[in-house]
Amino acid sequence: DAGVIQSPRHEVTEMGQEVTLRCKPISGHNSLFWYRQTMMRGLELLIYFNNNVPIDDSGMPEDRFSAKMPNASFSTLKIQPSEPRDSAVYFCASTSGPSRNQFGQGTRLTVV
Amino acid sequence: GENVEQHPSTLSVQEGDSAVIKCTYSDSASNYFPWYKQELGKRPQLIIDIRSNVGEKKDQRIAVTLNKTAKHFSLHITETQPEDSAVYFCAASSGDTGFQKLVFGTGTRLLVSP
Repeated sequence: DAGVIQSPRHEVTEMGQEVTLRCKPISGHNSLFWYRQTMMRGLELLIYFNNNVPIDDSGMPEDRFSAKMPNASFSTLKIQPSEPRDSAVYFCASTSGPSRNQFGQGTRLTVV
Repeated sequence: GENVEQHPSTLSVQEGDSAVIKCTYSDSASNYFPWYKQELGKRPQLIIDIRSNVGEKKDQRIAVTLNKTAKHFSLHITETQPEDSAVYFCAASSGDTGFQKLVFGTGTRLLVSP
């Protein structure tokens, strides 16, 4: 089991550009979570999906953020347009029922 | 919704000492309490967890205690080693939706000095 896989690991982009982060959950896990981590705000839950359906997106900071899960093995988090304050580490995590949430390695996003 | 508070924000100990990190939660329906360790530049990794039907759980040098009445839980690390240095996060979940939506504390930076 390769665990939760995120790509890219690092992303540097200019303000105003579109950024797409990708996540492949652990096979068999039916819940997927997107988190953002910054020094100031810690680990924030942005959105989560259950069986590919978005359940709660109340943590998404602005309309510039959107997330999709077209199938059980793939999810994207998109920021359009990006801003410097979006710079953070974005983690994806997956779980299934009572099993433990497992995190991907994260994407470090820098918006200049 | 759930709110998790974590203390202290930083903790410095000497190698071999014990370290205790405390968390409180607000939602009495919460029934699952994991602890994650995050080393610099790496992902949070689960180190121990406890469910509400248990008051204490131990795994080698790590133990977690839960007081449901007071709505607080603690992480205890004994015989600390330099490799225990990391940021530790507590979390709570009600799990009433069939999956674990975790609310995290703000983290404790533990530094173990040799």
